[in-house]
Amino acid sequence: KAGVTQTPRYLIKTRGQQVTLSCSPISGHRSVSWYQQTPGQGLQFLFEYFSETQRNKGNFPGRFSGRQFSNSRSEMNVSTLELGDSALYLCASSPKAGDYNEQFFGPGTRLTVL
Amino acid sequence: SQKIEQNSEALNIQEGKTATLTCNYTNYSPAYLQWYRQDPGRGPVFLLLIRENEKEKRKERLKVTFDTTLKQSLFHITASQPADSATYLCALDENAGNMLTFGGGTRLMVKP
Repeated sequence: KAGVTQTPRYLIKTRGQQVTLSCSPISGHRSVSWYQQTPGQGLQFLFEYFSETQRNKGNFPGRFSGRQFSNSRSEMNVSTLELGDSALYLCASSPKAGDYNEQFFGPGTRLTVL
Repeated sequence: SQKIEQNSEALNIQEGKTATLTCNYTNYSPAYLQWYRQDPGRGPVFLLLIRENEKEKRKERLKVTFDTTLKQSLFHITASQPADSATYLCALDENAGNMLTFGGGTRLMVKP
């Protein structure tokens, strides 16, 4: 099976712009979670989608949003970018919601905000 | 406040020895705890999961223990190899869902 794929792998934006990141989960996986990783804060949970519904949300401002499509692919959007949004954004998929699942991470999208 | 603490200093050990990494948490009641490995420039890779009612789990050279009284998990790699060099992350979830809270990770360096 192909792993989790994320596009693009690298992105450079300027403050005030918005960005959309894409994630394709492992075939058959219906849960997609997003995480932000920075040197200062480590890995932090953004949100989780299952069957096109947001199940969980982390402690991030409303500028961070996401959605999931019927084929389980997911996108996350960050509006009005700030310098502090520079990070590695990781997507993870699981076969189902809940029930002690391991998560399969993609390679991440490296976002740099100038 | 809630905290998950891993030794932020790198752990340097000699090949063949056992590496022991620590994960301590406060003000959490995790349903389970997971350990991941992360190499530079890559996403984390799942290693082991241990539930709140389990004391120990093993997988090949890996062993994890979970003490809910001490609020601590220990992760052991026996007969360590240079290829085991990476950052190891512990993560927990209070609701048995897919909302993981991660520790800061410990960098392990295994020298030949």
